[in-house]
Amino acid sequence: EDQVTQSPEALRLQEGESSSLNCSYTVSGLRGLFWYRQDPGKGPEFLFTLYSAGEEKEKERLKATLTKKESFLHITAPKPEDSATYLCAVQAYNTDKLIFGTGTRLQVFP
Amino acid sequence: DTGVSQNPRHKITKRGQNVTFRCDPISEHNRLYWYRQTLGQGPEFLTYFQNEAQLEKSRLLSDRFSAERPKGSFSTLEIQRTEQGDSAMYLCASSSGGRTSYEQYFGPGTRLTVT
Repeated sequence: EDQVTQSPEALRLQEGESSSLNCSYTVSGLRGLFWYRQDPGKGPEFLFTLYSAGEEKEKERLKATLTKKESFLHITAPKPEDSATYLCAVQAYNTDKLIFGTGTRLQVFP
Repeated sequence: DTGVSQNPRHKITKRGQNVTFRCDPISEHNRLYWYRQTLGQGPEFLTYFQNEAQLEKSRLLSDRFSAERPKGSFSTLEIQRTEQGDSAMYLCASSSGGRTSYEQYFGPGTRLTVT
């Protein structure tokens, strides 16, 4: 069964303290791995898609990487406005549906 | 360029009543998806359309749930005889599909509370 596990469940960082979020997955034929950001009471906001092991993508203070079993979202020198829940999802070749993890709740304190 | 829109944003209903939600996708997107999200969980897939054809339905989607996309543009999700367990955020997403773009863009969601 296709599955996504995210860790940690919650992360508290001081402003400027870099860290990484983990997304482990099992999927029968990975088409893509997706990262989203979700603010309370809002829909997920698309961040990145990664398609193959070794691929990396960056956007401002965020960098996503992919291996054959997991993905990392690296946050460099975070700011309070980076506080949100970060969701990871996978899509298999034989379907369009996304399978999400439960997310990592990130809080960045000034 | 407007994003995905959903109406209503909030709905409170009594158990046993029927409710209907609407989703308007990004205009050039031919694929439309419905997900459900409960507190502390990631979104769970319910169903999706390519144009007006409903291509996949989750086993989570009981007979009380029905979705339509009659003209391949907006979509509606109806829940009949609502139960307290239906309380959740209902999210709609759209994508352009194709070989180079699988990203799904989400709307703001409709929060359903069943009392």
